[in-house]
Amino acid sequence: TQLLEQSPQFLSIQEGENLTVYCNSSSVFSSLQWYRQEPGEGPVLLVTVVTGGEVKKLKRLTFQFGDARKDSSLHITAAQTGDTGLYLCAGAKLSGGSNYKLTFGKGTLLTVNP
Amino acid sequence: DTGVSQNPRHKITKRGQNVTFRCDPISEHNRLYWYRQTLGQGPEFLTYFQNEAQLEKSRLLSDRFSAERPKGSFSTLEIQRTEQGDSAMYLCASRPTEAGTQYFGPGTRLTVL
Repeated sequence: TQLLEQSPQFLSIQEGENLTVYCNSSSVFSSLQWYRQEPGEGPVLLVTVVTGGEVKKLKRLTFQFGDARKDSSLHITAAQTGDTGLYLCAGAKLSGGSNYKLTFGKGTLLTVNP
Repeated sequence: DTGVSQNPRHKITKRGQNVTFRCDPISEHNRLYWYRQTLGQGPEFLTYFQNEAQLEKSRLLSDRFSAERPKGSFSTLEIQRTEQGDSAMYLCASRPTEAGTQYFGPGTRLTVL
C-alpha cells in the first residue's frame, strides 16, 4: 500500500516554464521531506517541512505543507535543465520508540528540455 | 568527503551467490538506515540501527537478508542465495538525532543474473 501518492508521475516541460508537483496522503506526518534524485545516485535532501501550513522557499523552489500535515506541494519557477531529476516526497512518522521512519512516494520524474 | 559512503557502487552476481554491501555513515551519526529502491519506485525501508542495535526490520527483509553494525559505525548488508527479484538499488542513510534529517549515500546497484 502506497501511503504517499505523488502526481504527476512524469512531467516534461520546456526551460523557463513553471510547474507544480503534489504529494498527497490520508495519513498525518510529523514532518515531510522533499528529495531530488539523479540516475544512479542517492536522494539529496531539498527541504524539511514540519508545521502545518508552512511555506519554505529555496531559490526558485517553493515548498508548502498542508494545514493538516497530510499533503505537500513543490512549485518550481522558471525551470532550468539542471532541475531535471526524480523528485521524491517522504513523510516521517514515529515508529517503535525513537525511530522516525520515512515513507516515500514513487516520485515525479521531471524532464526540463532546453 | 564526509558524506555517507557505500561500497561497492555496482555489483553484478549470478543467482544463488551471496553478496555483501558496506555503508560508512557520517561520523558521529548514531542512527543508520537501509532502504531498497526498485525501478519506478521510491525507496522502501528495510532496517534501522541505533548505534550497534538493530531496532527495527521491515517484512521486506526476508531470512536471506542480514544486516549488522558491529561497532556502531559502519554497517554491512548481506544477501544470501540471491534471486533475480533482489535486483535493486540498496541505499544507506544516517542521521544524528531522533528527528534529524536523513542523509543518503550514493547507493549500491545490484544486478542478479
